[in-house]
Amino acid sequence: AQKITQTQPGMFVQEKEAVTLDCTYDTSDPSYGLFWYKQPSSGEMIFLIYQGSYDQQNATEGRYSLNFQKARKSANLVISASQLGDSAMYFCAMREAGDFNKFYFGSGTKLNVKP
Amino acid sequence: GAVVSQHPSWVICKSGTSVKIECRSLDFQATTMFWYRQFPKQSLMLMATSNEGSKATYEQGVEKDKFLINHASLTLSTLTVTSAHPEDSSFYICSARKLAGGPQVYEQYFGPGTRLTVT
Repeated sequence: AQKITQTQPGMFVQEKEAVTLDCTYDTSDPSYGLFWYKQPSSGEMIFLIYQGSYDQQNATEGRYSLNFQKARKSANLVISASQLGDSAMYFCAMREAGDFNKFYFGSGTKLNVKP
Repeated sequence: GAVVSQHPSWVICKSGTSVKIECRSLDFQATTMFWYRQFPKQSLMLMATSNEGSKATYEQGVEKDKFLINHASLTLSTLTVTSAHPEDSSFYICSARKLAGGPQVYEQYFGPGTRLTVT
């Protein structure tokens, strides 16, 4: 089974609007971490936000927030007030406490912000 | 901050030759570094985990004799693609692990990647 599933290969959003990128995960480890990364066309992986499995509140970092629904095993990324510079690939990733060395990445979502 | 560099950022080599890619943690020590491979429009696939002073741990399906990894110091890991072939052309990304926060937060910082083209 896929550890991380991103079902949206591509998304469009109008500039200044909010957009939600979906991510579901599969793990039996009670302790894990969820990450979102942005990869612009340059290729660099840019860390956006982190959510720990025991965190009580949803993580937020500026315009990024993570909608963490533990029972549904989903960790959607919400980008508010989209900007043209947000156009990029976005990857959801997970790391389990049982093996901190291994990052499981989703297939990614290509976000295009329209002016 | 935590900066990871890679060198070169892109390289073209002829089939049959070897090419070395360096990954450096610039402002922190990294006992563990990771090497990923990314094909166009695909996700990152972990190739191997590199620990300073010991042999790398390769993921299933990755040829350790083809992709030689050396983690010689706490700030440097190298990936050597030996006898490269066109199918080895890919984007190679390294990351370094920095211990941060509580026991559940082990952050990985990614390098900018190296684009390898084998002709």
